[in-house]
Amino acid sequence: AQTVTQSQPEMSVQEAETVTLSCTYDTSESNYYLFWYKQPPSRQMILVIRQEAYKQQNATENRFSVNFQKAAKSFSLKISDSQLGDTAMYFCAFGAGTALIFGKGTTLSVSS
Amino acid sequence: NAGVTQTPKFRILKIGQSMTLQCTQDMNHNYMYWYRQDPGMGLKLIYYSVGAGITDKGEVPNGYNVSRSTTEDFPLRLELAAPSQTSVYFCASSYLRVGTEAFFGQGTRLTVV
Repeated sequence: AQTVTQSQPEMSVQEAETVTLSCTYDTSESNYYLFWYKQPPSRQMILVIRQEAYKQQNATENRFSVNFQKAAKSFSLKISDSQLGDTAMYFCAFGAGTALIFGKGTTLSVSS
Repeated sequence: NAGVTQTPKFRILKIGQSMTLQCTQDMNHNYMYWYRQDPGMGLKLIYYSVGAGITDKGEVPNGYNVSRSTTEDFPLRLELAAPSQTSVYFCASSYLRVGTEAFFGQGTRLTVV
């Protein structure tokens, strides 16, 4: 069975700084997808970034980038130039087969 | 562009009562899902559907039922509500099974007392 582990329940960072959120997963699949979702206090789930396992190049979306290490089964999210609006819970998710499998989440607080 | 719409947003139920959480999407997605989110536990899959008339159990289906009579609607039924069903419930849909973005509704906060 696939599992997703986020080892950092809470993190904090100051505005304009860079922060990295960790995620590891376990699977025997060779073809899969990885996602980071953001959940602000409004409760809405928002896709931040997506990575296909067969692509070696790390995905980037503006200030958000990932470090995908397939052999190590690691998928970390880097947020550069942090903004107050980045304050949210971040979920790492694994996709192969039935539906997305989520980690327990990391609560990120950005302060001024 | 409504996306995925869930109703109600909040609900308080008494133990033993029943209710239906409504979910509808206007993106013509075949794949739809119900998750529950408990504090500190992430999202767990309750049921999913790959198209009208086809549903299957996820990780935590006990105490719930679903139906999918149309592409747009995927209601979740709670029978005999229990305190353990206190949670936030999310409906989601996607174009492909897992390769594309899943779009989520805004969630229903359910409290069973």
